[in-house]
Amino acid sequence: AQRVTQPEKLLSVFKGAPVELKCNYSYSGSPELFWYVQYSRQRLQLLLRHISRESIKGFTADLNKGETSFHLKKPFAQEEDSAMYYCALRGGGADGLTFGKGTHLIIQP
Amino acid sequence: ETGVTQSPTHLIKTRGQQVTLRCSSQSGHNTVSWYQQALGQGPQFIFQYYREEENGRGNFPPRFSGLQFPNYSSELNVNALELDDSALYLCASSVGHGVGNTIYFGEGSWLTVV
Repeated sequence: AQRVTQPEKLLSVFKGAPVELKCNYSYSGSPELFWYVQYSRQRLQLLLRHISRESIKGFTADLNKGETSFHLKKPFAQEEDSAMYYCALRGGGADGLTFGKGTHLIIQP
Repeated sequence: ETGVTQSPTHLIKTRGQQVTLRCSSQSGHNTVSWYQQALGQGPQFIFQYYREEENGRGNFPPRFSGLQFPNYSSELNVNALELDDSALYLCASSVGHGVGNTIYFGEGSWLTVV
């Protein structure tokens, strides 16, 4: 069975400090991995995906198949980064997304 | 370009009743999926429709059913409501369901079962 684990329910860091949101997954094949973000009173939206290998809003995430991890990182946190972050996995095209429970990131001024 | 829209935004039902939630997919999107998000949890995949056929399903009982219409809009029906069905129901749409496609979410319908 596929599973996504986000060990931190809440992460609080100061503005300008580095941020790392952890995500570990369990899947027997080669999954697609995603990070979704939900800002206050907004809908869930895609932040980035592993196949694009892109940096969005200063965030990056590298897929580590050996450690089955897909941690989200940003070198210098900004107050507007405060939000709920969900890591998600998709096995096959018709499988739908499997989400972790989410991490609430709070950036303190 | 309009995004994914869902209705109603909030509703309250009694245990044992039936409910229908509606979703209009983003323009040009032919694939619709539904998710249940309980309080404090991540979204859970219910099922997916592609060109009016269900082509993927999560671990939900048959009393959760759906439809997709020729214009790609969709309905989620839940029969014999239980208290644990209280949750935010999210609709999402995409162009196809292959690797690399982006899934866009609606704002959700809050269902409370009393």
